[in-house]
Amino acid sequence: DIQMTQSPSSLSASVGDRVTITCRASQSISTFLNWYQQKPGKAPTLLIFAASSLQSGVPSRFSGSGSGTDFTLTISSLQPEDFATYYCQQSFSRVTFGPGTKVDI
Amino acid sequence: QLQLQESGPGLVKPSETLSLICTVSGGSITSSDYQWGWIRQPPGKGLEWIGSIYYSGSTYYSPSLKSRVTISVDTSKNQFFLKVNSVTAADTAVYYCARLGHSRSLDYWGQGSLVTVSS
Repeated sequence: DIQMTQSPSSLSASVGDRVTITCRASQSISTFLNWYQQKPGKAPTLLIFAASSLQSGVPSRFSGSGSGTDFTLTISSLQPEDFATYYCQQSFSRVTFGPGTKVDI
Repeated sequence: QLQLQESGPGLVKPSETLSLICTVSGGSITSSDYQWGWIRQPPGKGLEWIGSIYYSGSTYYSPSLKSRVTISVDTSKNQFFLKVNSVTAADTAVYYCARLGHSRSLDYWGQGSLVTVSS
């Protein structure tokens, strides 16, 4: 199975900050990498698919990059509604999720 | 707008079978472009992939759960199903159903169904 790691596991930030979250796969997954946002008590929502494609309706302050084993999710200017937990997910071989990164104030 | 809704018992006894239904509305489950999947999240923990199914019935399971899980589909009702056998307290979780779209991303999710395993 492909293992996914994320760093950091949590971070504290302020409104307006630029935030970067890293996701690493245990083997190359090309660009089969997706990012999700989850708020407490809610289902996750898709932000980025295929490593860098913005899902319809997602604000442009979210962006993704990377290929192979190393990927990043960037929030260019953190907004109050962005405080949440973020997960990466590989779909190269079956599906596995990263452990999550909690972004709080 | 596509919508998914989980339904089923909220409480299951240890050693019994957990059964959930996902009802899809606003679109057809028979599109060959998509798979339909189950994911779970234990309280306070991360997301765990359970498995997925095509409308044709082809299934893909997580290796860690494969021996206890069955996913099936009823295209006439636009529903797909999850069964987990021999449950323990470790199976207590919010169970989500979702659609796998572009790049096998999970682009539509149900609201989630909390299942507690307890006697």
